[in-house]
Amino acid sequence: DIQMTQSPSSLSASVGDRVTITCRASQAISYYLAWYQQKPGAVPKLLIYAASTLQSRVPSRFSGSGSGTDFTLTISSLQPEDVATYYCQKYNSAPWTFGQGTKVEIK
Amino acid sequence: EVQMLQSGGGLVQPGGSLRLSCTASGLIFKNSVLSWVRQAPGKGLEWVSAISGSGGDTFYADSVKGRFTISRDDSKNSLYLQMNGLTDEDTALYYCAKHSPIFDPWGPGTLVTVSS
Repeated sequence: DIQMTQSPSSLSASVGDRVTITCRASQAISYYLAWYQQKPGAVPKLLIYAASTLQSRVPSRFSGSGSGTDFTLTISSLQPEDVATYYCQKYNSAPWTFGQGTKVEIK
Repeated sequence: EVQMLQSGGGLVQPGGSLRLSCTASGLIFKNSVLSWVRQAPGKGLEWVSAISGSGGDTFYADSVKGRFTISRDDSKNSLYLQMNGLTDEDTALYYCAKHSPIFDPWGPGTLVTVSS
């Protein structure tokens, strides 16, 4: 099975900082990669699919890139409401594996 | 507005069984692939099981294969997860989700606690 590895596992950044989270697949998955945001105590929310397509109503400070095995989620200017854990997920085939998550906090 | 309601969670002893339910309004289940995803306390997301739009194909994570059974009743716009042989490693918040094949939307989750 393909494994999804995120880095870092957690980060702390200041409001306004540019934040980058990486996700690596153990085998190529083309662009079949989604990103989810889970705020504390909340249900996961889809942010990005097809590696770089922003879900409707997601702020434009979020962006995604990559294909094959290496992907990134970027928050161009971190806001207090972005405090959350972010998960990548592959969806090219079963099993539909998630990365282990990256916890983002405000410094 | 899409609303997904979940029920069936609770406290169960090791080796016991539970049946989870997920019902949607404002969302047509028919022909939609549906999944269960779980999250153990303080841990990440784990896909558990999926069922095809016809119900003819089912998929399971290795961790639950042979113990869990996914099913659907489109006449009731409902999804189910029958969980047998539960262990403490199955303790988690269980979410249902439309699976297209990205997970959206998600249900609110129902908590399953396996403990003696």
